[in-house]
Amino acid sequence: DAGITQSPRHKVTETGTPVTLRCHQTENHRYMYWYRQDPGHGLRLIHYSYGVKDTDKGEVSDGYSVSRSKTEDFLLTLESATSSQTSVYFCAISDTGTGANVLTFGAGSRLTVL
Amino acid sequence: GNSVTQMEGPVTLSEEAFLTINCTYTATGYPSLFWYVQYPGEGLQLLLKATKADDKGSNKGFEATYRKETTSFHLEKGSVQVSDSAVYFCALSDPESGGSYIPTFGRGTSLIVHP
Repeated sequence: DAGITQSPRHKVTETGTPVTLRCHQTENHRYMYWYRQDPGHGLRLIHYSYGVKDTDKGEVSDGYSVSRSKTEDFLLTLESATSSQTSVYFCAISDTGTGANVLTFGAGSRLTVL
Repeated sequence: GNSVTQMEGPVTLSEEAFLTINCTYTATGYPSLFWYVQYPGEGLQLLLKATKADDKGSNKGFEATYRKETTSFHLEKGSVQVSDSAVYFCALSDPESGGSYIPTFGRGTSLIVHP
């Protein structure tokens, strides 16, 4: 929905090039997450943020970095893209980060690395 | 660590059939449990949740009951429609996970409903 947008929605790039995916929210939520979705693996957490300039690694963080300089934006960078990073990337947000932590997801960014 | 196991798909049903998608979990603490649904070409969205034992979450005709004794949270619907065709994800968030409530997701179960 309009509260969270991802860009670009589709990207094709070549091996070795840097790629940045952007997640933008208008909900003023504190927590933001990047996941990747691959067949047979479901959703896997790459990185997450619990505030401006506060980030931490998830289970599949190698080859990825993130930045959060403003509450509303969370950037995911592939420093040197590889074919194994071909995937659909989802950004998610949540307001509490505690208890029944319900996530709201963006529509996804499909990345193809040739 | 925490984990969620879902039945493998795809699950293929005829319209108006009864649906069950099994989900079991392993958690250190006393987690909250969720079902998310992903329609084609979209992100995940919350379908229902339950936060304590014997709670029943429900939405859009779907139900799931938090069963602590069997560590399960099976998704059911009495009569599926073609529009229910989607991928369903079971998930948990566990306050005992080092203070983090980051959800752990299952691998997803694809549901295909034929007219």
